Amino acid sequence: NAGVTQTPKFRILKIGQSMTLQCTQDMNHNYMYWYRQDPGMGLKLIYYSVGAGITDKGEVPNGYNVSRSTTEDFPLRLELAAPSQTSVYFCASSYSRQGQTQYFGPGTRLLVL
Amino acid sequence: EDQVTQSPEALRLQEGESSSLNCSYTVSGLRGLFWYRQDPGKGPEFLFTLYSAGEEKEKERLKATLTKKESFLHITAPKPEDSATYLCAVNNNNDMRFGAGTRLTVKP
Repeated sequence: NAGVTQTPKFRILKIGQSMTLQCTQDMNHNYMYWYRQDPGMGLKLIYYSVGAGITDKGEVPNGYNVSRSTTEDFPLRLELAAPSQTSVYFCASSYSRQGQTQYFGPGTRLLVL
Repeated sequence: EDQVTQSPEALRLQEGESSSLNCSYTVSGLRGLFWYRQDPGKGPEFLFTLYSAGEEKEKERLKATLTKKESFLHITAPKPEDSATYLCAVNNNNDMRFGAGTRLTVKP
């Protein structure tokens, strides 16, 4: 099992550009999550999904969109990149939401200039 | 509001010098407390889950304990390869809330 994979590893965007961060898991997990991690801060939840076709907002959803068309894939879309979106983004998955371990991908480092 | 506070922010140890990391939490309806290890440039790697006060789990030089208000990650005779950031997270009925982490450096 590859677990959770993310692409790209690193990307530089100009203000106003758009991009999609890819996330795939091969553990057949129902739940998937997108977090951002900023220096000195805990991971913040952006969006999550409880299964194909079902997504919901987390703590910091503004400026982002998600979709979940399959169990395996959960892409994160940035429509109009802003410097405040400079961060490291992690995708995670779990079997359920309560009391279950979340398994993380290697992360995507995004720099918006 | 649910909160997770980790201390210290950074800890420098000599190889073999045992110590503890603290995770204090306030949460409505604890469903689990999780410890993760994160190496620079990598994603968090799962270490332990604790579900109820009094529970303990061990893995090599690491031992995690849980009370009703805090969790400790005890590191016994650490080695340089234990250097990493250790993250604590609490799961309530809906969310996983993470602390900012403790950055551990073990010098040979």
